[in-house]
Amino acid sequence: DVKVTQSSRYLVKRTGEKVFLECVQDMDHENMFWYRQDPGLGLRLIYFSYDVKMKEKGDIPEGYSVSREKKERFSLILESASTNQTSMYLCASSPVGTPGETQYFGPGTRLLVL
Amino acid sequence: AQSVTQPDIHITVSEGASLELRCNYSYGATPYLFWYVQSPGQGLQLLLKYFSGDTLVQGIKGFEAEFKRSQSSFNLRKPSVHWSDAAEYFCAVGLFFSSGSARQLTFGSGTQLTVLP
Repeated sequence: DVKVTQSSRYLVKRTGEKVFLECVQDMDHENMFWYRQDPGLGLRLIYFSYDVKMKEKGDIPEGYSVSREKKERFSLILESASTNQTSMYLCASSPVGTPGETQYFGPGTRLLVL
Repeated sequence: AQSVTQPDIHITVSEGASLELRCNYSYGATPYLFWYVQSPGQGLQLLLKYFSGDTLVQGIKGFEAEFKRSQSSFNLRKPSVHWSDAAEYFCAVGLFFSSGSARQLTFGSGTQLTVLP
């Protein structure tokens, strides 16, 4: 089974702090994604990576950056956390090359910025 | 730009009753279509997907969905709901990035399902 793990289930940070959210997948998938989930808005894509050190912006990249130094690990960075970044963050991974590639999701990190 | 609409924010059904969750998409060509389920405190799990062929797709947990091109819809159905089906359900459209390297998912806002005993 594909396994996507996220470093924390719950996180509380203060405004202005630098926040790292870590995601690891164990299926050698090329693609990795970071989404945020807010009530009534569904999931929105923040960033996407299709290879080590490669990234593309999603729909809402402002205030975020990402890092992918190893194939299995994809980090989301909040350079200076703000209260409007309080949300659920979901990481996903998918393989390349098959029709209808399935994205496999981690359990999520619920971030509260005070 | 592509979009996905789930018109029902919350649906309540009795256990054993049938279920239909609606999903409409906006896109010029036939997209890849997905239904995911999220149980409380969990990540998303794929229920089923459509990308070509038979327009009636079978998924896990007894769910099925039908792609109707003329209506731009991909509604999820289950003939008899179980209490364990209570969860939030997301429809998603899958498209290639401009780089052609992978597929972005655009999600609907979700439908929360409550199952009454």
